[in-house]
Amino acid sequence: ETGVTQTPRHLVMGMTNKKSLKCEQHLGHNAMYWYKQSAKKPLELMFVYSLEERVENNSVPSRFSPECPNSSHLFLHLHTLQPEDSALYLCASSQATGPDYEQYFGPGTRLTVT
Amino acid sequence: GNSVTQMEGPVTLSEEAFLTINCTYTATGYPSLFWYVQYPGEGLQLLLKATKADDKGSNKGFEATYRKETTSFHLEKGSVQVSDSAVYFCALSGSEKLTFGTGTRLTIIP
Repeated sequence: ETGVTQTPRHLVMGMTNKKSLKCEQHLGHNAMYWYKQSAKKPLELMFVYSLEERVENNSVPSRFSPECPNSSHLFLHLHTLQPEDSALYLCASSQATGPDYEQYFGPGTRLTVT
Repeated sequence: GNSVTQMEGPVTLSEEAFLTINCTYTATGYPSLFWYVQYPGEGLQLLLKATKADDKGSNKGFEATYRKETTSFHLEKGSVQVSDSAVYFCALSGSEKLTFGTGTRLTIIP
């Protein structure tokens, strides 16, 4: 595997379910990101991790809970979601945080909340 | 705060047509500017970037020039191909993060 991978690619869950999204990067990067992509809206940065420490949390509801056990893996734990949380969730990684470092994106997980 | 405004799509062009996708920005300081492309079923890929005023980024026949006086970073290509069909995102860098536009869907018909 190369680059940034995400599983599952598609997920349908009810509002009372608990599920997790997984991201893995094979690039030796130290920073990882979660973004939310909704139709006709700019990409929303949700969380940033640098060297496994959370460095940014953009007022994301607590029903989204990130976890970064090591620099290669990033999870997004989901519980009691709302229909408006349906979106494409993108993971990205970069060598470090900051504007000089290119972010590499995974293909995303298409989440539908019913 | 920082913001990016790009032209709304969708944009549909015939093969070999000239492409322009407009992007303007609002930012404090001197951000770097980027164009990302998202092909169907894939994540975003960096297409090109410019780090200071009057810089021109280019890749795969696409170009964009960082215009500080008009706060713009318009994407252009002289002759588009069917394989250019994708969603294009303009973005700028703040101190630690990227701020994206809403994306412009481009469809090229043979």
